[in-house]
Amino acid sequence: DIQMTQSPSSLSASVGDRVTITCRANHSISSYLNWYQQKPGKAPTLLIYVASRFQSGVPSRFSGSGSGTDFTLTISSLQPEDFATYYCQQSYITPYTFGQGTKVEMK
Amino acid sequence: QVQLQESGPGLVKSSGTLSLTCAVTGDSIVSTNWWSWVRQPPGKGLEWIGEIYHSGKTNYNPSLRSRAIISVDKSKNHFSLNLDSVTAADTAVYYCAREPGFSGITWLDPWGQGALVTVSS
Repeated sequence: DIQMTQSPSSLSASVGDRVTITCRANHSISSYLNWYQQKPGKAPTLLIYVASRFQSGVPSRFSGSGSGTDFTLTISSLQPEDFATYYCQQSYITPYTFGQGTKVEMK
Repeated sequence: QVQLQESGPGLVKSSGTLSLTCAVTGDSIVSTNWWSWVRQPPGKGLEWIGEIYHSGKTNYNPSLRSRAIISVDKSKNHFSLNLDSVTAADTAVYYCAREPGFSGITWLDPWGQGALVTVSS
């Protein structure tokens, strides 16, 4: 299985901050990398697919980059509704695997 | 608008079988998409269980040690998950999701709202 490692596991930030979350695969996955947001008690929702493509309706403050083994999700200016847990997921090969999640909390 | 909705018993006895169905509306189960199951134990991360294509072709997570079976019912436009020999470790919220994509590239969108299944002793 391909192992996905996110860092940090959690972070504290303030509204307006720039937030960066990294995701590393232990094997090259080309651009087969997706990002999801999950709020408490809710299902995950797709933010970014194929490493850098925006899902329809996702605010432009979210962006994704990377290829191979190293990927980044950036929130350019954190908004109150962005406090949530973020997961990366590789779809390069089954079994698809997720990172352990990064919880973004209010400072 | 594509919507998925999980249904099934919320409580299953240990060593029994967990059975869930995912009803799909707004898209056809026989479209070019694959369809997935994902689970999340309370307070933990996401685990992909497996996927199915309308032809019946499936892929599973080996971590489930062949306990999972995913099937599709084209007439009802839904797909199902059966998980045998459950233990407390199978207690989780179970999500179904569509896998759109192209050229072998895929992602999970949308997701169902999730169904909490508790395994009791």
